[in-house]
Amino acid sequence: QKEVEQDPGPLSVPEGAIVSLNCTYSNSAFQYFMWYRQYSRKGPELLMYTYSSGNKEDGRFTAQVDKSSKYISLFIRDSQPSDSATYLCAMTLIQGAQKLVFGQGTRLTINP
Amino acid sequence: NAGVMQNPRHLVRRRGQEARLRCSPMKGHSHVYWYRQLPEEGLKFMVYLQKENIIDESGMPKERFSAEFPKEGPSILRIQQVVRGDSAAYFCASSQNQRGTEAFFGQGTRLTVV
Repeated sequence: QKEVEQDPGPLSVPEGAIVSLNCTYSNSAFQYFMWYRQYSRKGPELLMYTYSSGNKEDGRFTAQVDKSSKYISLFIRDSQPSDSATYLCAMTLIQGAQKLVFGQGTRLTINP
Repeated sequence: NAGVMQNPRHLVRRRGQEARLRCSPMKGHSHVYWYRQLPEEGLKFMVYLQKENIIDESGMPKERFSAEFPKEGPSILRIQQVVRGDSAAYFCASSQNQRGTEAFFGQGTRLTVV
């Protein structure tokens, strides 16, 4: 079993839809949770960073962490074609840890 | 301020050759991380280096792979006697301190072994 599981998709939705991306994990010691966006042939860029359980909002993006269920989500409101990318969840044990554990990524396409 | 620079962007090697991947961290960053991304998979941690020191190489294959980050110059990931299974995208990230969670990623080097 992988430490972090993420549905690879692909996921295709119309412009303006609400998108829900999810990861589950097995290691209950994970404390810090991140979402990265990776455009085709580019490096990952950090979108959101959340500590422990709870919600965090940044513009059209909301990250949720449910540690009791070992489940994290990223919601994208009013999705735009420019949001089309692969979204990777990542997590680590402690703040400032050097090693991130990534999910395999979900490929998202927003259709105009 | 340029971002993390990786070169080459694309590298083709025949089986048995050596591959050298270079990573120049962002200005002021002295911590470097290497990750490998196999097709349809997420990134897998390989190694964490500070200037002149390997701190954590727990993700590095035991044979053929090595990494360095000299006092002067870029970090180098070296793969000797490449095999088809080494074909992947290799990403470097750098940070100002030892917080991998605050690292910025480069564009990657795509290695193809033929």
